[in-house]
Amino acid sequence: EDQVTQSPEALRLQEGESSSLNCSYTVSGLRGLFWYRQDPGKGPEFLFTLYSAGEEKEKERLKATLTKKESFLHITAPKPEDSATYLCAVLRPGGSARQLTFGSGTQLTVLP
Amino acid sequence: DADVTQTPRNRITKTGKRIMLECSQTKGHDRMYWYRQDPGLGLRLIYYSFDVKDINKGEISDGYSVSRQAQAKFSLSLESAIPNQTALYFCATSQSGRYEQFFGPGTRLTVL
Repeated sequence: EDQVTQSPEALRLQEGESSSLNCSYTVSGLRGLFWYRQDPGKGPEFLFTLYSAGEEKEKERLKATLTKKESFLHITAPKPEDSATYLCAVLRPGGSARQLTFGSGTQLTVLP
Repeated sequence: DADVTQTPRNRITKTGKRIMLECSQTKGHDRMYWYRQDPGLGLRLIYYSFDVKDINKGEISDGYSVSRQAQAKFSLSLESAIPNQTALYFCATSQSGRYEQFFGPGTRLTVL
């Protein structure tokens, strides 16, 4: 069964304290890995798509990387406005029935 | 801005009542999805539709039904609501040929 595990479940950082969030997966034949940001009471907001091991994507203070077993979301010098839950999702292979399997998220709090 | 909207945003109902949640989008995407989100369980797919004549069950479709009234409209019905259907419900869209999904703001449903 496909599994997507995010760690840690929660992370508290001081403003400016860089760190990484992890997303590990057991899907064979991964077709894509997605990162989303979710603010309380809102829908997930798309951040990045990664398709192959070694790929990296950057947006402001965020950088996503992908290996054959996991993805990292690196947060450099975070600010309080980066506080949110970060979700990753993997795209299963399989013809027209391709679906996203989501992890349960990492709740990030950045303290001023 | 092209967007995904959901109505209602909040709903409280009683066990046994029929409920319809509605989703409309102005993104011009052909694929639409319904998810539910529960604490600690992540987002789980209920139903998805790749075009107006195509409806597919997701991993947790029991107790739910859907209708794709037009390319831009996708509604989710609970025929006889039960308390364990209390959750956050999200609609999402994507364009064929691309796999990133874009989410609406969500409906918070409480079944008493």
